[in-house]
Amino acid sequence: EAQVTQNPRYLITVTGKKLTVTCSQNMNHEYMSWYRQDPGLGLRQIYYSMNVEVTDKGDVPEGYKVSRKEKRNFPLILESPSPNQTSLYFCASSLNRGRHEQYFGPGTRLTVT
Amino acid sequence: GQSLEQPSEVTAVEGAIVQINCTYQTSGFYGLSWYQQHDGGAPTFLSYNALDGLEETGRFSSFLSRSDSYGYLLLQELQMKDSASYFCAVHNTDKLIFGTGTRLQVFP
Repeated sequence: EAQVTQNPRYLITVTGKKLTVTCSQNMNHEYMSWYRQDPGLGLRQIYYSMNVEVTDKGDVPEGYKVSRKEKRNFPLILESPSPNQTSLYFCASSLNRGRHEQYFGPGTRLTVT
Repeated sequence: GQSLEQPSEVTAVEGAIVQINCTYQTSGFYGLSWYQQHDGGAPTFLSYNALDGLEETGRFSSFLSRSDSYGYLLLQELQMKDSASYFCAVHNTDKLIFGTGTRLQVFP
């Protein structure tokens, strides 16, 4: 089944404790992206990647890191999480930059206390 | 700056037609997408417009006017399952910028 998977789905952590949210797609998509969703603010793009070893900042990259060492994986890293990073996070992928349909993962609800 | 505006909430009854508008201001524009998101779920793609005009996909249609920086999503023959949030999103070079979403409630 073609899909985007994220792990964990739920995470409660404390300020400053490094964490990684994994994202994997099995559709051989080139383009991958991370979004955060907050009430009243819609989805905001954190980082995106157009292919392996190519990543770029979205609109809200502060406090986050990403890597794209393999085509299928695009982990999101929070080196020192803070409470303002409490949010619902979505990973998404599309075939390439010219194909506009993005497939979203199920989401990761993160709480930082 | 970059901004998208859409109504926060729309209500309608089953079988009706509803239009959700989206106006945008961006420094670069390649196209406008629409996504649907049910409560607790992930966004799912509905449509994409790069050129002016109407795109139809079943009960849903999407319209774009680049000169007016305006688009809309038209939902016909509304069903209860259409109750969800709908987001417009501007493709700005390689970035995707989402609106804040319109919550559609369909009543019997």
